[in-house]
Amino acid sequence: GDSVTQMEGPVTLSEEAFLTINCTYTATGYPSLFWYVQYPGEGLQLLLKATKADDKGSNKGFEATYRKETTSFHLEKGSVQVSDSAVYFCALRVNTGNQFYFGTGTSLTVIP
Amino acid sequence: NAGVMQNPRHLVRRRGQEARLRCSPMKGHSHVYWYRQLPEEGLKFMVYLQKENIIDESGMPKERFSAEFPKEGPSILRIQQVVRGDSAAYFCASSYRDRGMNTEAFFGQGTRLTVV
Repeated sequence: GDSVTQMEGPVTLSEEAFLTINCTYTATGYPSLFWYVQYPGEGLQLLLKATKADDKGSNKGFEATYRKETTSFHLEKGSVQVSDSAVYFCALRVNTGNQFYFGTGTSLTVIP
Repeated sequence: NAGVMQNPRHLVRRRGQEARLRCSPMKGHSHVYWYRQLPEEGLKFMVYLQKENIIDESGMPKERFSAEFPKEGPSILRIQQVVRGDSAAYFCASSYRDRGMNTEAFFGQGTRLTVV
C-alpha cells in the first residue's frame, strides 16, 4: 500500500545550522509529494510540493527533490531560523487516489 | 478567497454528549478530507467526501462517527456519545480537481475537541 516514513524527532538545531529531515515513501502508482508545516496551535500549511520525478520543490529557503530511484523526498534548508520551529509533515498522494498519506511529523526546535 | 474554515476552534463536551464539527471548504473546492491528530501523534485519515457522496471512509471508526458533505452548506463530522479517547484535534482539508487530478490539500485551523 501507499505510505510515508519520516525521520523521527524531535530535532533541535542552533540558528543558522543546516537542516535535513528524511522522508521515504512507498506508492503503488505515481505519487505527488508534499511537505507541510504546522506551527503551534495551527493547521497544516503547504510548504512545497513536487509532482514528478526529479522535480525540486522550494519555498522560504526550504528545498526537496523528488528522487524516484531512492523513493525519497528529503527536506533541506541551508540556514535555519528560530521562526522555523514547527512540526514538519511529509505527505504523498497517488494521482489516481483519494487520500493524502502523511508521515508522523518531525518536530523541529531552533535555538538562538 | 477565504481559506478552509472550521468551527468551532475549541469544543468541550461531557462524556455521552454529541460533538458536531463544521468545515467550509475553500471556494470552488468540491473535495473534503477529515483527519484526526492525537497529542504527539501524526495525522490519521478519517474520511474523504465529495458533494453529497462519501468516497472513502476507511479511516472512520465503525461506531459513533459519521460525516456528510451536503449539496449546500458545510461538511459536518459528527461524533455521538463522545468518550475521553475522542479528545483530539480534528482537521479538515479541501482540494479540487485540476485536469483529472486532485490538487494539494488546503487545511483549516482545526477543531480541538476536549471531552470531560
